[in-house]
Amino acid sequence: GAVVSQHPSWVICKSGTSVKIECRSLDFQATTMFWYRQFPKQSLMLMATSNEGSKATYEQGVEKDKFLINHASLTLSTLTVTSAHPEDSSFYICSARGGERPQYFGPGTRLLVL
Amino acid sequence: KNEVEQSPQNLTAQEGEFITINCSYSVGISALHWLQQHPGGGIVSLFMLSSGKKKHGRLIATINIQEKHSSLHITASHPRDSAVYICAVSTGNQFYFGTGTSLTVIP
Repeated sequence: GAVVSQHPSWVICKSGTSVKIECRSLDFQATTMFWYRQFPKQSLMLMATSNEGSKATYEQGVEKDKFLINHASLTLSTLTVTSAHPEDSSFYICSARGGERPQYFGPGTRLLVL
Repeated sequence: KNEVEQSPQNLTAQEGEFITINCSYSVGISALHWLQQHPGGGIVSLFMLSSGKKKHGRLIATINIQEKHSSLHITASHPRDSAVYICAVSTGNQFYFGTGTSLTVIP
């Protein structure tokens, strides 16, 4: 069964609103979580890496004030897309890793900004 | 049973060897991805393909849609190729990931 969940699985919002996406590790403690984005017809792009209890490390070109990442516990990380615009419409995927376990990926969240 | 199965789970090779990693999937897909992760890092996308074959440097990826199978080949392997290689498929609404193949290339 799934060991990493994401919520919501899809979301539609108006331009200018903020959207929060949750990523949860279900049966292990995730010391590190990754957030990815997939543009249409393109492959995955790493946005940021977050370690529990510390600030996220963002990849070059990713606006940290626009994509707020919080990894406050060992089982939960959130990605908040602030003041979303249509160009933020995408597929967002998280993955989680902890201890000796391999990296597991969430099923993704599809965001559509109108 | 996982929707995406990879083999082998672990692989050790001598430098220069030809390497093959296999991926089988059980769902209808819009695309298949091969991803690479070095220790401590996030993943890097190597290939996205929906048919045929793609080549990038020493890396070759093939897919057989009818058989629901893909292979990633590394020619003239090098220690810097040591990483975890992950197969992932997208259905349009969801991603399914394999648990990865850990490759170690020994000098």
